[in-house]
Amino acid sequence: DAKTTQPPSMDCAEGRAANLPCNHSTISGNEYVYWYRQIHSQGPQYIIHGLKNNETNEMASLIITEDRKSSTLILPHATLRDTAVYYCIYSGGSNYKLTFGKGTLLTVNP
Amino acid sequence: DTEVTQTPKHLVMGMTNKKSLKCEQHMGHRAMYWYKQKAKKPPELMFVYSYEKLSINESVPSRFSPECPNSSLLNLHLHALQPEDSALYLCASSPLGQPNYGYTFGSGTRLTVV
Repeated sequence: DAKTTQPPSMDCAEGRAANLPCNHSTISGNEYVYWYRQIHSQGPQYIIHGLKNNETNEMASLIITEDRKSSTLILPHATLRDTAVYYCIYSGGSNYKLTFGKGTLLTVNP
Repeated sequence: DTEVTQTPKHLVMGMTNKKSLKCEQHMGHRAMYWYKQKAKKPPELMFVYSYEKLSINESVPSRFSPECPNSSLLNLHLHALQPEDSALYLCASSPLGQPNYGYTFGSGTRLTVV
């Protein structure tokens, strides 16, 4: 199974940027990094994905290191509604299933 | 329509009951998935269907029986469950191919086995 390492929890002040790290040292060249989040008692929500280049969408930015062994999800202006468990996953090639790790519980404080 | 709809939202069943969970999507996704999530744990993959055929069974006990009657529907038939099977059951769908532009998850069915 694809293994990622994330801190179990992080805190962030409302309005500040939240930077969530993830290590994925065993990622293969054709595997993508995906980020999902799960707000309490809801289904996981897709945030963003990337292969080599940094990516940005309306929700977040994804910074992938040059060696692709780690990445950082950036929520530029965190709000209370961003409090959730954030999962970093990698998948690709012939493997299209997503295997969730333990994730990071991000708590945004007022 | 960009949603995955799961019914029912809550289900309580006895250990001798037979029940079914239903999942529906109309996004044209040809891959559908069942996940099980226990409290304070990450979702665990149970089954994967691609083009309406079962492609992955993660060694799930036979008391869970999936069915994909067409490209929009996914069912999970439950029979003779145990209390430890109580969990949130999540359905998801995605396009096939890489990159996979994200799974879309339903809100889940919260199952309690008594």
